[in-house]
Amino acid sequence: AAGVIQSPRHLIKEKRETATLKCYPIPRHDTVYWYQQGPGQDPQFLISFYEKMQSDKGSIPDRFSAQQFSDYHSELNMSSLELGDSALYFCASSLGQSRGYTFGSGTRLTVV
Amino acid sequence: AQTVTQSQPEMSVQEAETVTLSCTYDTSESDYYLFWYKQPPSRQMILVIRQEAYKQQNATENRFSVNFQKAAKSFSLKISDSQLGDAAMYFCAYRSGVTGNQFYFGTGTSLTVIP
Repeated sequence: AAGVIQSPRHLIKEKRETATLKCYPIPRHDTVYWYQQGPGQDPQFLISFYEKMQSDKGSIPDRFSAQQFSDYHSELNMSSLELGDSALYFCASSLGQSRGYTFGSGTRLTVV
Repeated sequence: AQTVTQSQPEMSVQEAETVTLSCTYDTSESDYYLFWYKQPPSRQMILVIRQEAYKQQNATENRFSVNFQKAAKSFSLKISDSQLGDAAMYFCAYRSGVTGNQFYFGTGTSLTVIP
């Protein structure tokens, strides 16, 4: 069965650069969630989208933005990268906002 | 690849009663960690309990305990004396002890606590 696809799997950027992470939800899933998990930390909720509209906002820095496109895939744009942005970024999708999630394998971002 | 399965999309429990949430996983690794996370409506993930695969003793945190069956690849969460504040989505997760970076999550179990 198709899963949540995240790309790239790994990304290395320098400080102050920009990064774009992509998430392709399971077909027919209309809701996407983004999480950031730093080393040794619990996943932190960043932002979510339902039917291409932002539905919830968590601890997403102002330097980050995200959107969900007409095909329901989502992109997380991260600018002015800082060393502290190094983390595993998870995307999850669901059908509706109250159903179970399916997580992607994550994108490992390393800022040097 | 490792997979984590939570076969109960929804569960309910009467306040003060005990409930068990199921989780199974598939892996060929011998070194790994298992987690249960609680996700309240804020969508933040709160670590409930963690189990190292090399430890035979089941982890316990106050009212939360696990039944870790390594051979069966089962990792269930028992919540005793359920409280209204326990109502949330619960995710089971696996992390490789080899690569250390990769997490795999189950699809979650939505727990309702009935007053």
